Amino acid sequence: DGGITQSPKYLFRKEGQNVTLSCEQNLNHDAMYWYRQDPGQGLRLIYYSQIVNDFQKGDIAEGYSVSREKKESFPLTVTSAQKNPTAFYLCASTHDRAYDQPQHFGDGTRLSIL
Amino acid sequence: GESVGLHLPTLSVQEGDNSIINCAYSNSASDYFIWYKQESGKGPQFIIDIRSNMDKRQGQRVTVLLNKTVKHLSLQIAATQPGDSAVYFCAETPLGYSTLTFGKGTMLLVSP
Repeated sequence: DGGITQSPKYLFRKEGQNVTLSCEQNLNHDAMYWYRQDPGQGLRLIYYSQIVNDFQKGDIAEGYSVSREKKESFPLTVTSAQKNPTAFYLCASTHDRAYDQPQHFGDGTRLSIL
Repeated sequence: GESVGLHLPTLSVQEGDNSIINCAYSNSASDYFIWYKQESGKGPQFIIDIRSNMDKRQGQRVTVLLNKTVKHLSLQIAATQPGDSAVYFCAETPLGYSTLTFGKGTMLLVSP
């Protein structure tokens, strides 16, 4: 089945550690997105990429980094500079760069501090 | 783990009732609107979308209404079922933008 796969489902980070969240899609979608979700909050955009080897910062990019070396993959690294990383992280994709396309989501990675 | 529904506005209905979930937006340039459903521990699922050149759009058991004058969007769910219990988000984007702005969400609780 086509879809978006996020892994791992749960991740724990130690102080000063960088961790990388995986997002893979087999939908042949051009655009991919990373969001952070905190309890009682809407989704906030971290980074997005509309084409391979290109990405843009979202509203809360500080402390995060991404890469887009392949169309199907958009990993997110939560760096030690992100002082409050505990959250639910969601990856999404859309078919093309047109604005009026619904984003399709993975089932998220829950990151916690050890 | 913590629920995404913590501290959210909550709508409680009985099974079989019709539910109406509301969303206000502030950007008069918003042109495309989406409703998502999110169950606990999962990613949001697309429900229905609407462009600003429409006032109403219907899907299976769901209807979205758009009132651009007062910048208000609503999702109506007919004959609500326990499986509809979830957090519902609206999202919008202006013409030509490639990113969505999400609302904070409303938790819908359906009791049998």
